[in-house]
Amino acid sequence: ELKVEQNPLFLSMQEGKNYTIYCNYSTTSDRLYWYRQDPGKSLESLFVLLSNGAVKQEGRLMASLDTKARLSTLHITAAVHDLSATYFCAVDVNFGNEKLTFGTGTRLTIIP
Amino acid sequence: DTGVSQDPRHKITKRGQNVTFRCDPISEHNRLYWYRQTLGQGPEFLTYFQNEAQLEKSRLLSDRFSAERPKGSFSTLEIQRTEQGDSAMYLCASSLGTGFLQPQHFGDGTRLSIL
Repeated sequence: ELKVEQNPLFLSMQEGKNYTIYCNYSTTSDRLYWYRQDPGKSLESLFVLLSNGAVKQEGRLMASLDTKARLSTLHITAAVHDLSATYFCAVDVNFGNEKLTFGTGTRLTIIP
Repeated sequence: DTGVSQDPRHKITKRGQNVTFRCDPISEHNRLYWYRQTLGQGPEFLTYFQNEAQLEKSRLLSDRFSAERPKGSFSTLEIQRTEQGDSAMYLCASSLGTGFLQPQHFGDGTRLSIL
């Protein structure tokens, strides 16, 4: 059974600091997605990573994928309050955008 | 693009009652997914459709759960004889087919509370 683990589960950081969220998964996959969820809201797609070594950046967020290590990272640069949310990684093992297996999420709080 | 729409947003019902949720996907999307999310957890896959065909069902989808997508457009998820453990957020998502490498787009969900 596929397991997707994120760490840390909770992260409180000051504005302006840098930090990284890690996503490990237990089986072979070359498709990984990052989503953001605000309290009481649905999930917003952030990144789609489709191959080993893939790196994508949007604003202060940068995501990467290492399929050999079965690891993805979400790096936050110079955090701002608006980035406070829960971040999920999700793995697609069927190579067809079918069943996604999500991690437990990282709740990020940015402190002024 | 009006996004994925789910109805109702909230449903409160007594244990043992039947409930039905509706999902309207993004119009050009041929795939539709149902997930369940409990507090503090990531979404868990329940089932998905390609057009009107239901292609996969999770073990989480017991006999009390049934999903349909009769004309390949909107979908319904019905839970019969609800139990306390069914309390959760039910999320619907849609996407284009496999050739487009697009993410799944999620609706705002239906929050189910069982009294």
